Amino acid sequence: RKEVEQDPGPFNVPEGATVAFNCTYSNSASQSFFWYRQDCRKEPKLLMSVYSSGNEDGRFTAQLNRASQYISLLIRDSKLSDSATYLCVVNAFTGTASKLTFGTGTRLQVTL
Amino acid sequence: DGGITQSPKYLFRKEGQNVTLSCEQNLNHDAMYWYRQDPGQGLRLIYYSQIVNDFQKGDIAEGYSVSREKKESFPLTVTSAQKNPTAFYLCASSLMRSGEKLFFGSGTQLSVL
Repeated sequence: RKEVEQDPGPFNVPEGATVAFNCTYSNSASQSFFWYRQDCRKEPKLLMSVYSSGNEDGRFTAQLNRASQYISLLIRDSKLSDSATYLCVVNAFTGTASKLTFGTGTRLQVTL
Repeated sequence: DGGITQSPKYLFRKEGQNVTLSCEQNLNHDAMYWYRQDPGQGLRLIYYSQIVNDFQKGDIAEGYSVSREKKESFPLTVTSAQKNPTAFYLCASSLMRSGEKLFFGSGTQLSVL
């Protein structure tokens, strides 16, 4: 089982739709969680940190479910500019150091 | 403006040649990282450095070398021992040594001639 798993997509949705991505992780000792956005052939950029209580930033909502070991990203009222790949990132303390593990990403394509 | 700069944007390597990718940051971050991204795969850590004059191997360090002589700079050398170097290379820095909240450079696409 991969340490961090994401559905690669692509998710093709019309403008204005609501779309949700899930990401599962295997290490129960994982401590912190993030969503990054990556445009084609560009660098990833931090979109949101994910907290236990869930957090919202405008049209974006991130949630963490520790019991089932997954995090989610919900995008409401999708815009054309939301088209990108969304990377799930998990940070786990290995005993001597922290280790970030990246998922392979979920590609979103928003269409007219 | 503070940021992290990678150069060149595109790089071509001949067989048996060593090439060096540049990474400079003016964010005053202690920690710096090199990742490799291949199609359909997550970012994989090559090397990281949490302080000047110290660096650690990541998951795929074989065939690569780094130095950290200055806080601002963390160059990556792809040696001839790296048999499959074609990939998108990303440098990142972080204020926290735990590596959370990474800031990435714009990347270098390395290809083999």
